[in-house]
Amino acid sequence: NAGVTQTPKFQVLKTGQSMTLQCAQDMNHEYMSWYRQDPGMGLRLIHYSVGAGITDQGEVPNGYNVSRSTTEDFPLRLLSAAPSQTSVYFCATLGRTYEQYFGPGTRLTVT
Amino acid sequence: AQTVTQSQPEMSVQEAETVTLSCTYDTSESDYYLFWYKQPPSRQMILVIRQEAYKQQNATENRFSVNFQKAAKSFSLKISDSQLGDAAMYFCAYRGLPNFGNEKLTFGTGTRLTIIP
Repeated sequence: NAGVTQTPKFQVLKTGQSMTLQCAQDMNHEYMSWYRQDPGMGLRLIHYSVGAGITDQGEVPNGYNVSRSTTEDFPLRLLSAAPSQTSVYFCATLGRTYEQYFGPGTRLTVT
Repeated sequence: AQTVTQSQPEMSVQEAETVTLSCTYDTSESDYYLFWYKQPPSRQMILVIRQEAYKQQNATENRFSVNFQKAAKSFSLKISDSQLGDAAMYFCAYRGLPNFGNEKLTFGTGTRLTIIP
């Protein structure tokens, strides 16, 4: 099992550009989520999904969109990147023993 | 809303010694889960230990153990026989019982642990 995978590992964008961060899992977990990690602030929840077709906002959803068409995939879209979105992004799933499994992260820089 | 506080931004310990990382949290719920995650320079989030609030016994995983004080809302991590590979950022995290929208983790701001050879 690959677990939770994220692509790309690194990305540099210019202000105003759009992009999609990919997240995929092969554990058949219903719950998936996106966090961002900023220095001195821990991880904060952006969006989450409790199953295909169902998504909801977390603490810091502004500037991000998500959709969940399959159990396996949960992409995060930045429609118009801003420097404030420079961060490390983690995708995570929730296992049946209530443990969260994290992907390796994507480091995004917006100039 | 739940909050998690880690009051020690940085800690250091001599190799082979014992170190305790502090965490306090605030919640109005009676049942919940608490976690410690380790984040080494590789950036990967690694689960170290988990505690269910309804269990009175403190969780233990090899050299890692917790001191869970439910009334005080305190959840400290003790690392015994510290090793160089323990050097990392450690995050304390809280999660309520699984329920629609309640599955998210609330993280503290982290403690950076340095191991001195």
